[in-house]
Amino acid sequence: DAKTTQPNSMESNEEEPVHLPCNHSTISGTDYIHWYRQLPSQGPEYVIHGLTSNVNNRMASLAIAEDRKSSTLILHRATLRDAAVYYCILRDGAQKLVFGQGTRLTINP
Amino acid sequence: NAGVMQNPRHLVRRRGQEARLRCSPMKGHSHVYWYRQLPEEGLKFMVYLQKENIIDESGMPKERFSAEFPKEGPSILRIQQVVRGDSAAYFCASSPKRTSGVQETQYFGPGTRLLVL
Repeated sequence: DAKTTQPNSMESNEEEPVHLPCNHSTISGTDYIHWYRQLPSQGPEYVIHGLTSNVNNRMASLAIAEDRKSSTLILHRATLRDAAVYYCILRDGAQKLVFGQGTRLTINP
Repeated sequence: NAGVMQNPRHLVRRRGQEARLRCSPMKGHSHVYWYRQLPEEGLKFMVYLQKENIIDESGMPKERFSAEFPKEGPSILRIQQVVRGDSAAYFCASSPKRTSGVQETQYFGPGTRLLVL
């Protein structure tokens, strides 16, 4: 499984945008980039995924670099409920998810 | 549509006892996955099952752990002769039948927190 690198922690303020980076320099052409998050004392929750093009949904946006060696999860207007650990995961078609350490996001009121 | 259900939410066992963790997937989902999260660590894949079949058990410890997903009823993760190191949160996820070339989203349950005394 290809490896991803994320900052251990990030901090932002409520109602401001948050950009969560992920490096995946060894990504292969068939790897999809998935993001999940885990709120305190809960199971992980799917956020978004993409292959090459930028993606938007009701939760977030995913910006993928042209060379696909990095991506950024964008929360457009963070709320206190967005405080969680965010995981960037590469999936090559295998069914299992391989979680790294993720980024712990703190939102200040 | 109810989400993935896990029970019990909390389980306390003494060393040497057996732990049985149950997972009911979302309605219409035929794939189940189990993950373990040790204290202050990330989630680790354990096993992937379809109805009556184990597809990938590459993350399962070789001894004491077993999993099943019978034709009827929930998936069961069974830990025999528990030790303190088994204390962790165990999460179950489910996904619908796989469509070729599609990356199916996994939907997670709230987890079972196992404490071994």
